Amino acid sequence: QQQVKQSPQSLIVQKGGISIINCAYENTAFDYFPWYQQFPGKGPALLIAIRPDVSEKKEGRFTISFNKSAKQFSLHIMDSQPGDSATYFCAASGAGGTSYGKLTFGQGTILTVHP
Amino acid sequence: DVKVTQSSRYLVKRTGEKVFLECVQDMDHENMFWYRQDPGLGLRLIYFSYDVKMKEKGDIPEGYSVSREKKERFSLILESASTNQTSMYLCASRSSVRNSYNEQFFGPGTRLTVL
Repeated sequence: QQQVKQSPQSLIVQKGGISIINCAYENTAFDYFPWYQQFPGKGPALLIAIRPDVSEKKEGRFTISFNKSAKQFSLHIMDSQPGDSATYFCAASGAGGTSYGKLTFGQGTILTVHP
Repeated sequence: DVKVTQSSRYLVKRTGEKVFLECVQDMDHENMFWYRQDPGLGLRLIYFSYDVKMKEKGDIPEGYSVSREKKERFSLILESASTNQTSMYLCASRSSVRNSYNEQFFGPGTRLTVL
């Protein structure tokens, strides 16, 4: 059972464009929503994260939009650059004492930014 | 900088062999995780350990076991490798101190092929 559904599977954007990746979750106990970025040959690394007490978080060109009622969140990459070409994973976890930060990941999106 | 290392980048084994994947972290993290990454499925949690000698099953533990005898080292064991265990295996570690939302730090992965 996939508790976090991510789309699209792949995305091609021109340099300078906006990349948008969407995720939807089912478990209302989730209260932490990170995005991880993975370059070829590397492990994933935390890019940006949000908690459901805010509807948006921005760090540089990267923004998470969060809709608690719809149980959806998305990553927006403004002014996309070829160096942003990577695989992006959304994830979710509950921060309760026994969760130990376990993450449930989406299926991943392969982003290609053409020069 | 947190460093998570995995013993091999590439591994080729035969069906029925016992396989050991090793992971070492150098930041004194309490929590460690093993995931497998498959195209279109994202990262799926196999096992995690919240402290030395402690372990819990993740979402897909069948066919795997783990060992954590020392805080810095977390081993994944395939008791009898099968072709459907051909995958990328990722190890991660995380501090459980102070913040329930601490990020996970990933190793570079081991690509295992079972023939």
